[in-house]
Amino acid sequence: DIVMTQAPLSVSVTPGESASISCRSSKSLLHSNGITYVYWYLQKPGKSPQLLIYRMSNLASGVPDRFSGSGSETDFTLKISRVEAEDVGIYYCGQLLENPPTFGGGTKLELK
Amino acid sequence: EVQLVESGGGLVQPGRSLKLSCLASGFTFSNYGMNWIRQAPGKGLEWVASISSSSSYIYYADTVKGRFTISRDNAKNTLYLQMTSLRSEDTALYYCARYMGIRGFDYWGQGVMVTVSS
Repeated sequence: DIVMTQAPLSVSVTPGESASISCRSSKSLLHSNGITYVYWYLQKPGKSPQLLIYRMSNLASGVPDRFSGSGSETDFTLKISRVEAEDVGIYYCGQLLENPPTFGGGTKLELK
Repeated sequence: EVQLVESGGGLVQPGRSLKLSCLASGFTFSNYGMNWIRQAPGKGLEWVASISSSSSYIYYADTVKGRFTISRDNAKNTLYLQMTSLRSEDTALYYCARYMGIRGFDYWGQGVMVTVSS
């Protein structure tokens, strides 16, 4: 199975500042079709996970453009610029290159 | 509006069975693959099972293979998860999630809690 490793475990950010979360996969998530199958989800407190980013850098519907995704074949970054109170929660990366789908352990974002 | 509503959870003894349902609305259910993903208390996300739109392709996590069965009824817009030989480690919040091709799991239900304990 592909292992997804996230860092840091938690991050504390001042509102209005930016935050970055890293995710590393145990094998390349770049398919021969040129698509990188990494995804980012946010689970707000007491809520279900919601899709933020698909295929490494594509913003899901309704997601503010303060969120952006980037990376290489095995190293990925979610950046949140101008952090707001509504961004608090646990962020998960995940892969859909091959079965079984796997997720990182999560990164908790809190406000200072 | 896309909605996924899970039901059927509860407290069950080890070794017993339970069947979860997920009622979908707001989209053409028969056009989408569906998944069950679970989250143990205070833990991260674990994919459990997936089923293609016409039930032609079904996959399971190794941790549930042989004990859980995913199925769907497109006429009833409902996804199911039959769980047998339940173990304490199956205790989790179970989410159904829509799979939209390469966009991934784009909609999730609110989750249903399954507690396996004597």
